[in-house]
Amino acid sequence: ETGVTQTPRHLVMGMTNKKSLKCEQHLGHNAMYWYKQSAKKPLELMFVYSLEERVENNSVPSRFSPECPNSSHLFLHLHTLQPEDSALYLCASSQGGLLNTEAFFGQGTRLTVV
Amino acid sequence: RKEVEQDPGPFNVPEGATVAFNCTYSNSASQSFFWYRQDCRKEPKLLMSVYSSGNEDGRFTAQLNRASQYISLLIRDSKLSDSATYLCVVNLLYNFNKFYFGSGTKLNVKP
Repeated sequence: ETGVTQTPRHLVMGMTNKKSLKCEQHLGHNAMYWYKQSAKKPLELMFVYSLEERVENNSVPSRFSPECPNSSHLFLHLHTLQPEDSALYLCASSQGGLLNTEAFFGQGTRLTVV
Repeated sequence: RKEVEQDPGPFNVPEGATVAFNCTYSNSASQSFFWYRQDCRKEPKLLMSVYSSGNEDGRFTAQLNRASQYISLLIRDSKLSDSATYLCVVNLLYNFNKFYFGSGTKLNVKP
């Protein structure tokens, strides 16, 4: 069982819909991330939360709204998306600070905007 | 300029071959280095961390050259199951643990 769990695994939504992606980590990490991976493109960092505080918003459009209610949970709220937002959205966590370790990924949510 | 650059490949090699990938990074303040493996339509998974002195894990050897800012991965005796995309990753600890990913190098191991 993965230490980072994402739901749903697949999502199809219309451009006027509102949906949320959920991520939960069971590793006791203090940093969580949202990445976007479009076809044939590298992973793009979207947001970083460290100790539940957003420390990075990588020029992401406001139609993507993250929420981190506690160190184990991370959400990505979606509204009025565009077809070009269709991609694999990956959540990751790591033990930040001086004892930095690698990032552990969830299985991703494959999003299709129609 | 990209933080991390990799040759996208694909590298097509026969089983049993030795193959090497290189990656360069732009920020000399990078402090942690990793190789990840990503299978088609799956999430990236850690293959190995890269240490300054170089390190080996079975058939895989990773090297770091800080002076030239490049990282390498050597795979010996390639298996069909090694076919995947290999991602080079660097981390800037001072910058809130941001992980920068290369675009990946695709490896196809043929029978």
